Amino acid sequence: SQQGEEDPQALSIQEGENATMNCSYKTSINNLQWYRQNSGRGLVHLILIRSNEREKHSGRLRVTLDTSKKSSSLLITASRAADTASYFCATAADTGRRALTFGSGTRLQVQP
Amino acid sequence: DTAVSQTPKYLVTQMGNDKSIKCEQNLGHDTMYWYKQDSKKFLKIMFSYNNKELIINETVPNRFSPKSPDKAHLNLHINSLELGDSAVYFCASSTRGVFYEQYFGPGTRLTVT
Repeated sequence: SQQGEEDPQALSIQEGENATMNCSYKTSINNLQWYRQNSGRGLVHLILIRSNEREKHSGRLRVTLDTSKKSSSLLITASRAADTASYFCATAADTGRRALTFGSGTRLQVQP
Repeated sequence: DTAVSQTPKYLVTQMGNDKSIKCEQNLGHDTMYWYKQDSKKFLKIMFSYNNKELIINETVPNRFSPKSPDKAHLNLHINSLELGDSAVYFCASSTRGVFYEQYFGPGTRLTVT
């Protein structure tokens, strides 16, 4: 199966609530990245966390990484309708493979 | 200024035709990529070029041929188009490969009829 499985596949919340998305992967990584894709648009990089980091913040985003469980989570606090999008995790393996492997994505719907 | 641009944005064509998608980045990056996103939104790497040199060539039919005339451009040519080629194709670029973030173009939606 593919590297980078995301959970849940879809998430619907109300504006102001927090949204948590999870990503699991299979191989050892150099870093893990989160991207957002608005409908009909390209992917936009949100945050990168390296294998020696456990937590990272950027504005309303908080990312955690647990390399022992091969998992990561993305928390969006105080969500807004504009956060409605698909969110993807992507891993860079530490094997020297020079490509990111993307997960299947989580579709987030924030109801106003 | 657009960082990574692709043309065309939409491409509708018939089976058997040959088509090209162009990509340009003005970020000064040394690595460029082509991804295919299927109807289930799964994004898969197809090719990667570093300084005009092909470094990744995933299991892609040889009907797909990338061409990088210079560091800022990576074009994708597809011969004998098939129905299964219908997808959204994204170009991306980065500096120092996978160790930093990638910048994506807006995508080209290819529909083969």
